[in-house]
Amino acid sequence: AQSVTQLGSHVSVSEGALVLLRCNYSSSVPPYLFWYVQYPNQGLQLLLKYTSAATLVKGINGFEAEFKKSETSFHLTKPSAHMSDAAEYFCAVNTDTGRRALTFGSGTRLQVQP
Amino acid sequence: DTGVSQDPRHKITKRGQNVTFRCDPISEHNRLYWYRQTLGQGPEFLTYFQNEAQLEKSRLLSDRFSAERPKGSFSTLEIQRTEQGDSAMYLCASSLGGTTGANVLTFGAGSRLTVL
Repeated sequence: AQSVTQLGSHVSVSEGALVLLRCNYSSSVPPYLFWYVQYPNQGLQLLLKYTSAATLVKGINGFEAEFKKSETSFHLTKPSAHMSDAAEYFCAVNTDTGRRALTFGSGTRLQVQP
Repeated sequence: DTGVSQDPRHKITKRGQNVTFRCDPISEHNRLYWYRQTLGQGPEFLTYFQNEAQLEKSRLLSDRFSAERPKGSFSTLEIQRTEQGDSAMYLCASSLGGTTGANVLTFGAGSRLTVL
């Protein structure tokens, strides 16, 4: 079975500060990992995905994530937070076996303080 | 291509009533998924279709829930005899099919259900 755990349901940073949102996965087979963002009253939007190519993945809006197999992690970072980054962020995992549908974490709400 | 469309966006109903949600996926996508999202939680998988075939249903999908995708195009999710615990956002997503789990799911904005 596949699963992801997002540490910290709420993260607050100052504008211009580093953003770090944590995600750890569990999978018995090589995973595909995704980060989605959800703004209020909008659908989930893909930020980036890892599909076993480069371990450092760059996404939209200046976000990036690094796949670390030894730590079973896929943390999301952004060097400098912007007010518009305030949203809910979801980590998700999928594999080439079984369901072939994303399994999501419980989400992290990012607040950006002026 | 206008993305994934869901209708209605909001539905308020009384307990015991039936409700139906519709999802129109991206036209070239042959996979369609339904998820449920409650406040403060991540989306939970309900079911998915490959073309018109429903390939898997989650244990969350009780007998009161039924999903269809006639002709492999749009899909409907019906909830019979609604309960207050059914109150949630129902999300639809679509993707290209195939054997890989790397396909990106494109989500609609969701249908919010409130059961009074």
